[in-house]
Amino acid sequence: AQTVTQSQPEMSVQEAETVTLSCTYDTSENNYYLFWYKQPPSRQMILVIRQEAYKQQNATENRFSVNFQKAAKSFSLKISDSQLGDTAMYFCAFMTGGGKLIFGQGTELSVKP
Amino acid sequence: DSGVTQTPKHLITATGQRVTLRCSPRSGDLSVYWYQQSLDQGLQFLIQYYNGEERAKGNILERFSAQQFPDLHSELNLSSLELGDSALYFCASSVDLAGYETQYFGPGTRLLVL
Repeated sequence: AQTVTQSQPEMSVQEAETVTLSCTYDTSENNYYLFWYKQPPSRQMILVIRQEAYKQQNATENRFSVNFQKAAKSFSLKISDSQLGDTAMYFCAFMTGGGKLIFGQGTELSVKP
Repeated sequence: DSGVTQTPKHLITATGQRVTLRCSPRSGDLSVYWYQQSLDQGLQFLIQYYNGEERAKGNILERFSAQQFPDLHSELNLSSLELGDSALYFCASSVDLAGYETQYFGPGTRLLVL
């Protein structure tokens, strides 16, 4: 069975600094997608970034980038120049063909002024 | 705003009752997914519909059922409610042409069973 593990339940970072959230996953499949979703206090689930497993290049979206290590089954999220609005729960998620998303337990990130 | 709408936003009911949660996908999206977010189980996939047909089932209880209508909106029916069914229920949608498209989430329905 596929599993997703986020080993950091809580993290904090100072405004304008950089923080990295960790995620590992377990699968025997070769084709899959990985996602980071953000859930702010409003509880809305917001897509942050996605990575196709067949792509070697790490995905980036403005201040957000990933470090995808396929062999190690690792998918970390780096947030640069952290802003107060980045305070949220961050979920790593794994998707195989068919579309079912499997989520990690989440990392609660606090950005401090 | 993801373009996915869910109603109602909040629902308070009693044990043993039945409720219906409604979801309208983004324009053009054919697939609808339902997820449950609870404190003890985290975010769990319940069920997927594609163009009116059930495509995949996850950890969905027999007391729960869903359907997708010809206009592509979906309803999740929860019956014989128990305290443990209190959770945030999300609907997500995607185009789902090849099974790997990004899912966009609605704002959720917060269900409280008393």
